Amino acid sequence: DVKVTQSSRYLVKRTGEKVFLECVQDMDHENMFWYRQDPGLGLRLIYFSYDVKMKEKGDIPEGYSVSREKKERFSLILESASTNQTSMYLCASSPWGAGDTGELFFGEGSRLTVL
Amino acid sequence: GEDVEQSLFLSVREGDSSVINCTYTDSSSTYLYWYKQEPGAGLQLLTYIFSNMDMKQDQRLTVLLNKKDKHLSLRIADTQTGDSAIYFCAEDSGNTPLVFGKGTRLSVIA
Repeated sequence: DVKVTQSSRYLVKRTGEKVFLECVQDMDHENMFWYRQDPGLGLRLIYFSYDVKMKEKGDIPEGYSVSREKKERFSLILESASTNQTSMYLCASSPWGAGDTGELFFGEGSRLTVL
Repeated sequence: GEDVEQSLFLSVREGDSSVINCTYTDSSSTYLYWYKQEPGAGLQLLTYIFSNMDMKQDQRLTVLLNKKDKHLSLRIADTQTGDSAIYFCAEDSGNTPLVFGKGTRLSVIA
């Protein structure tokens, strides 16, 4: 089974702190994604990556950056956390190729609270 | 751009059928998906349908696709309390990441 692991299930940080959210997948998937989920707003795409060292902005990249130094790891960085970044963050991965359905495999989520 | 719409809430009695509806805008979508999110967890793929199909059945789940109206539905027969979750519709046009709806929260009343 594909496993997408997010390093922290729950984090509490203070305004202005630098926050790292780590995600690792074990199925050699090319594509990796970071979403945030908020009540009534559904899933919103922050950043995604199609390959090592590549990144693409999603719908709401402001206030975030990402790093993909290895194929299996995709990190989301909040340079200076703010209270409006309190949210559930979901990492996902998917394979790339003919015959693939485009299905996303999700991690369990990281719930971040910024005080 | 692409957009996926679904109602936010649905409440049904245990044993009844649930029908969750979704509309999408991208007529070139190749796959359409239903994901389930249980409380405190990530999303899991429930089922998907290829765009050249009208219907797909998998045990208690039936997916209906009306390409003309760009309408997708998920029917859960004999709904159980364990089906209480948020259900997300998503479309894949092949060129961009999946576009998700806002999710429908299904509440099952015993």
